[in-house]
Amino acid sequence: GEDVEQSLFLSVREGDSSVINCTYTDSSSTYLYWYKQEPGAGLQLLTYIFSNMDMKQDQRLTVLLNKKDKHLSLRIADTQTGDSAIYFCAESRGTNAGKSTFGDGTTLTVKP
Amino acid sequence: DAGVIQSPRHEVTEMGQEVTLRCKPISGHDYLFWYRQTMMRGLELLIYFNNNVPIDDSGMPEDRFSAKMPNASFSTLKIQPSEPRDSAVYFCASSFSGGATDTQYFGPGTRLTVL
Repeated sequence: GEDVEQSLFLSVREGDSSVINCTYTDSSSTYLYWYKQEPGAGLQLLTYIFSNMDMKQDQRLTVLLNKKDKHLSLRIADTQTGDSAIYFCAESRGTNAGKSTFGDGTTLTVKP
Repeated sequence: DAGVIQSPRHEVTEMGQEVTLRCKPISGHDYLFWYRQTMMRGLELLIYFNNNVPIDDSGMPEDRFSAKMPNASFSTLKIQPSEPRDSAVYFCASSFSGGATDTQYFGPGTRLTVL
């Protein structure tokens, strides 16, 4: 079945760049997502990328997709303490199946 | 729209008691998901519905768990009897099949503590 894996923890200093990595197994993945979960809250979509794209940039966020290696990354430039959260990678097939497969989440800690 | 609404936000109960968690999805969304999040097991999909019909309940841990969706604007997740290992944060999420992606919109969660 589908599987999404990501490292559990990342710690960076304020102002540095953060890179969170994810690998997935489903070659039929059509959409790949990054969700952010702040303490005490539910997950919220941060950004997504279609599988026919290599890169997507949105302000401080850059998503890179290597479809051949089934590898997705999220780069946060100029990381701030407010970026401390859990970041979830997810994929879906987009065939009206509705379901997405989520990774276990990477806890990003930003130190001042 | 108010987003996905869950109630209660916090629930503390004793082992053996029945617990009912409630969810109101975003109006117009046709998919509804129930997840459980713990430190040990991460985010687990328990069950999901499409147009009020359960599609996949393979993630429901055991017969003590049941979920219903009587109409498009309401769903419940019931645990009977509850056990301490059920302590977790339970999330409800909804999505719209007519959107550009399968983006899910999560509620704030219900933190369940079973003593």
